[in-house]
Amino acid sequence: EDQVTQSPEALRLQEGESSSLNCSYTVSGLRGLFWYRQDPGKGPEFLFTLYSAGEEKEKERLKATLTKKESFLHITAPKPEDSATYLCAVQASDRDDKIIFGKGTRLHILP
Amino acid sequence: DTAVSQTPKYLVTQMGNDKSIKCEQNLGHDTMYWYKQDSKKFLKIMFSYNNKELIINETVPNRFSPKSPDKAHLNLHINSLELGDSAVYFCASSQDMWRANTGELFFGEGSRLTVL
Repeated sequence: EDQVTQSPEALRLQEGESSSLNCSYTVSGLRGLFWYRQDPGKGPEFLFTLYSAGEEKEKERLKATLTKKESFLHITAPKPEDSATYLCAVQASDRDDKIIFGKGTRLHILP
Repeated sequence: DTAVSQTPKYLVTQMGNDKSIKCEQNLGHDTMYWYKQDSKKFLKIMFSYNNKELIINETVPNRFSPKSPDKAHLNLHINSLELGDSAVYFCASSQDMWRANTGELFFGEGSRLTVL
């Protein structure tokens, strides 16, 4: 069964303290891996898509990387406004193309 | 101008009642989805429609019935509500099914359903 596991469940960092969030996945065939950001009371907001091992994407203080079994979301010198839940999702290459989400990592950046 | 809008934002009702949530997107997308986010924040797909045609129907009780009158609208009707139906329901859209592999889903703000 296709599965997405994110760790840690929650992470508290001081402003400026860099860290990484992990997303490990098990799918029959990976079509794409996605990162989303979700603020409280809002819908998820798309950040990145990664398609193949070795690929990297960057946006401001965020960088996403992908291996054959996992993805990392690196946060460099975070600011309080980076506080949110970060969701990882995968699309498996089965016939209905559904996107499966992990449970997310709640990130809190302390000023 | 909201891209994906859902109504109502909050819904509180008694067990056994029937309720509907409406969703509209003004992005010109072909594909729309319903996701359920439970108390543990786990986001799980329920249905997807592509150009008004049902594509994905996960293991969801028959009490849940989606309806897509046109490709810009996807409504969710729930019969005989149960306590376990309490969750936040998100509508989303993507340009089309096959491009959904860009992973770019546009989500609404969610409809929080509380069943008492």
